[in-house]
Amino acid sequence: QVELQESGPGLVKASQTLSLTCTVSGASVSRGSFFWTWIRQPAGKGLEWIGRIYTSGSTNYNPSLSSRVTISVDTSKNQFSLRLTSVTAEDTAVYHCAREVAVARYNWLDPWGQGTLVTVSS
Amino acid sequence: DIQMTQSPSSLSASVGDRVTFTCRASQSISRYLNWYRQKPGKAPKVLIYAASSLQSGAPSRFRGSGSGTDFTLTISSLQPEDFATYYCQQSYSLPLTFGGGTKVEI
Repeated sequence: QVELQESGPGLVKASQTLSLTCTVSGASVSRGSFFWTWIRQPAGKGLEWIGRIYTSGSTNYNPSLSSRVTISVDTSKNQFSLRLTSVTAEDTAVYHCAREVAVARYNWLDPWGQGTLVTVSS
Repeated sequence: DIQMTQSPSSLSASVGDRVTFTCRASQSISRYLNWYRQKPGKAPKVLIYAASSLQSGAPSRFRGSGSGTDFTLTISSLQPEDFATYYCQQSYSLPLTFGGGTKVEI
């Protein structure tokens, strides 16, 4: 059974850098046809895709965030990470990590991590 | 970006009801459409992928249909655990985008 768990500071000051890690169990971040993905959800709002990293290490980012986002992988720890620079109050959200499954040109997100709340303070 | 619009934004129903809600894409996405259920305080879980394929382990009361720009999710007989928010998501092109959600309330 594949499980993902987010970790990182719950409070970040405005203009600083948000850093989160997703620890994967039951699967390898370096094998298979999977993307390792970050999604966020501001309180009471919908879901926003942040970006993903493939098992090969290639990345894709949401253009709305691409100038501030870096997603990386640590195969030795079976983790992948999110780094978001120059945060503002608009970056306050629950951040989820997820695995994107790719089968016969169709992709879907399964499973997801529980999510971690990050609040940006002034 | 492809915009995903869900309707209604919320609905009230009872256990045992048949409910249907819709998702519309701003351009054709073929069948690259997934549905997720998110219970309060929990992570979303995929129910349907590729517009109509039931995810392994998802209850058979969920049925997805549609292609192109218009899609529906039907719950044949609402169960207590189905009172949640449902999101559609397109995987046709990047960036992946989600609908605003439909909240099913008692």
